[in-house]
Amino acid sequence: DAKTTQPTSMDCAEGRAANLPCNHSTISGNEYVYWYRQIHSQGPQYIIHGLKNNETNEMASLIITEDRKSSTLILPHATLRDTAVYYCIARGGSNYKLTFGKGTLLTVNP
Amino acid sequence: NAGVMQNPRHLVRRRGQEARLRCSPMKGHSHVYWYRQLPEEGLKFMVYLQKENIIDESGMPKERFSAEFPKEGPSILRIQQVVRGDSAAYFCASSPQDTSSYNEQFFGPGTRLTVL
Repeated sequence: DAKTTQPTSMDCAEGRAANLPCNHSTISGNEYVYWYRQIHSQGPQYIIHGLKNNETNEMASLIITEDRKSSTLILPHATLRDTAVYYCIARGGSNYKLTFGKGTLLTVNP
Repeated sequence: NAGVMQNPRHLVRRRGQEARLRCSPMKGHSHVYWYRQLPEEGLKFMVYLQKENIIDESGMPKERFSAEFPKEGPSILRIQQVVRGDSAAYFCASSPQDTSSYNEQFFGPGTRLTVL
């Protein structure tokens, strides 16, 4: 799976949009971009995934650049409960292993 | 629909004892994955099982660790003769029978093992 690079930490004001970037410049054509988050002491929670089109669900939106070398996870109206470590993972369709890096610690401030 | 269940949530063992961690996948899921998270680190893949079969145990330490997913009952991760370095959070995840790339893994709350 392609290596991903994320900022170590980010801050966001409550009620504002949180935009979390991820670089995956070596991603191959069959690798999807997955986002998970881990709230302190809990198990990782699936957020969203995509291949090349932008995706949206009830939790977030995923914007993937046209060349697929980077993506952005958008939480449209961040709340205090969104404070967590966010992981961006590139995974091939036939690969069941999730490789978690260090992720981005998002802190939502009141 | 209940999520992935793990028990116990916290487990304390003395060095040399055995630890048994249980995972019940989500209803309808027949694929189970175990991950380990050492303090201040990301999750690392350990093993992938389907009912009665170990598919990939490439992330398991060669000694003292074993996993099973019997036809009936939960998946078990067993650590024999625990050492202090085994202290970690152990997470189980499950996915549906169809393992296409569209399927995400759903994680349980984890078992926190402390070895004294």
